[in-house]
Amino acid sequence: QVQLKESGPGLVQPSQTLSLTCTVSGLSLTSNSVSWIRQPPGKGLEWMGVIWSNGGTDYNSAIKSRLSISRDTSKSQVFLKMNSLQTEDTAMYFCALTGYFDYWGQGVMVTVSS
Amino acid sequence: EIVLTQSPTTMAASPGEKVTLNCLASSSVSYMNWYQQKSGASPKLWIYGTSNLASGVPNRFSGSGSGTSYSLTISSMEAEDVATYYCLQLSSYPLTFGSGTKLEIK
Repeated sequence: QVQLKESGPGLVQPSQTLSLTCTVSGLSLTSNSVSWIRQPPGKGLEWMGVIWSNGGTDYNSAIKSRLSISRDTSKSQVFLKMNSLQTEDTAMYFCALTGYFDYWGQGVMVTVSS
Repeated sequence: EIVLTQSPTTMAASPGEKVTLNCLASSSVSYMNWYQQKSGASPKLWIYGTSNLASGVPNRFSGSGSGTSYSLTISSMEAEDVATYYCLQLSSYPLTFGSGTKLEIK
């Protein structure tokens, strides 16, 4: 059974760095790719970036300078780091299996506030 | 970047009514996926490859389109269909979602 679960701090101060973890079960990260997607409260979905099964990455150009996605295949974990956070980065953050995007995590709410 | 424009933004339909949601792409895409998101939940894959229903999706749903114009149709609206529906293009990076259509029941 494929499952993805996001974890991380619920509150981040402005200008600080956000670190999130997506823990995957039921599949191997060496054969599957994982994307991060975010959704501000009451708004739509924004694709942030992907880490491919070969370890390569692609990012949304709008946030590319602030974003880094990495992984630990031995722990089946994918990491998101985004720096210089602002209040506009307040959102629900999801990880999802890339391909059909048929499996999503439950999401983790991140609030950027002092 | 391919921009996806969904219409209408919000709509209300009566039980049994036929519903059509639209997704217009700024450039041609090979196919379209659709996702259903209910309040407080993660999006669910609903239609993939333009017209293929995801597992468990009722057959009153259908998808169609090509090039820059795609649509999701509900043949007979039911209360459980209340949700926001998003289209997603996977033809070019960055991947982009439409802004969503919020579907309500009258």
